[in-house]
Amino acid sequence: DAEITQSPRHKITETGRQVTLACHQTWNHNNMFWYRQDLGHGLRLIHYSYGVQDTNKGEVSDGYSVSRSNTEDLPLTLESAASSQTSVYFCASSENLGSEQYFGPGTRLTVT
Amino acid sequence: EDQVTQSPEALRLQEGESSSLNCSYTVSGLRGLFWYRQDPGKGPEFLFTLYSAGEEKEKERLKATLTKKESFLHITAPKPEDSATYLCAVHPYSGAGSYQLTFGKGTKLSVIP
Repeated sequence: DAEITQSPRHKITETGRQVTLACHQTWNHNNMFWYRQDLGHGLRLIHYSYGVQDTNKGEVSDGYSVSRSNTEDLPLTLESAASSQTSVYFCASSENLGSEQYFGPGTRLTVT
Repeated sequence: EDQVTQSPEALRLQEGESSSLNCSYTVSGLRGLFWYRQDPGKGPEFLFTLYSAGEEKEKERLKATLTKKESFLHITAPKPEDSATYLCAVHPYSGAGSYQLTFGKGTKLSVIP
């Protein structure tokens, strides 16, 4: 069955370190998204991609970057981790623009 | 600014006690409205998409409806396994090439045996 996976599931890092969160989908979807989820907030969009070599900034993109070198993967990089980036991160993909998005299991990131 | 408000924030029901969750939205135009279920420690799970006022979708004990300003998720005779956080998201008309979803903060549903 097609799926979307994220790794690691849990990560603890120190302030100032570079961190990369992996997202891999086997749906063969062109569209991929990264969100963060915090108490008191809904899911907030960080970055998104509509295809290979395409990346776009979302609502809360400062301090994050993504790259899309193939259809299956969209890694999220925190250039210099800050305590404010402690959160749960979800990756999602969709078949068509504007269609439902399918989410991964999430990565819980703690920045100390 | 596009806004999505879900109410109530939390809801406790006895098993078998039917109720509704509300999602009200303020957007310039609506391309689609999505309902998701999220269990603790897991990613959101897609439930329904609604595209136009008057549309209804059903799945087991859940029925989603849509008007021009809000959507309801009706839960009929809920069971403890329906306990979860239910998220609403809208896909607004926000300019050419924009396909981003705006999510509400969710309603946490607890169904007590």
